[in-house]
Amino acid sequence: EVQLLESGGGLVQPGGSLRLSCAASGFSFSTYSLSWVRQAPGKGLQWVSSIGLDGTHYGDSVKGRFTISRDNPKNTLYLQMSSLRAEDTALYFCAKGRYGSGSNPFDYWGQGTLVTVSS
Amino acid sequence: EIVLTQSPATLSLSPGQRATLSCRASQTISSHLAWYQQKPGQAPRLLIHDASNRATGIPARFSGSGSGTDFTLTISSLAPEDFAVYYCQQRSNWPITFGQGTRLEIK
Repeated sequence: EVQLLESGGGLVQPGGSLRLSCAASGFSFSTYSLSWVRQAPGKGLQWVSSIGLDGTHYGDSVKGRFTISRDNPKNTLYLQMSSLRAEDTALYFCAKGRYGSGSNPFDYWGQGTLVTVSS
Repeated sequence: EIVLTQSPATLSLSPGQRATLSCRASQTISSHLAWYQQKPGQAPRLLIHDASNRATGIPARFSGSGSGTDFTLTISSLAPEDFAVYYCQQRSNWPITFGQGTRLEIK
């Protein structure tokens, strides 16, 4: 059974930093693309970043501030977030892609970790 | 950036009725479209990928169609558990984008 478990969310001041983690199990972690998708309170879904065999990709709103990475031996995905803004407040989902590279549909999702940026 | 426009914003139907949800892309995306269902307090669930392929475990009452710029998600006979928000997503070009969602509510 595929499982994705996010952690690391919390309350952070504007301009601060936070690192999210996503522990994965139940599939061959290194061979699939992984992504972060966020959802602001009461709003729709917004893709944030992906990492796959073809490298990393970022949305314009986070480019230069967020860094996605993965530790394949630990089956863990990360999102390092810096220079956080109020508009980054959201539930952050970890999502597994159907394929190893390129942009993907997301066939499994975690339950999300909440990031709140406020003073 | 490819913009996906979903319609209607809200759809009010009764169990047993047929639901037709639309997603239009601002430029051609071939068949690189997925549909998701999201219930309150839950993560999204993949229903359809590559426009018309049901994901694992998705009931046959869900079907997807379309290519190019116009896509449709059809639920042939609504079950009580189908009332939720539905999103489309394109993977044709970076950045990946989602539609704004269609809320399917009980009439």
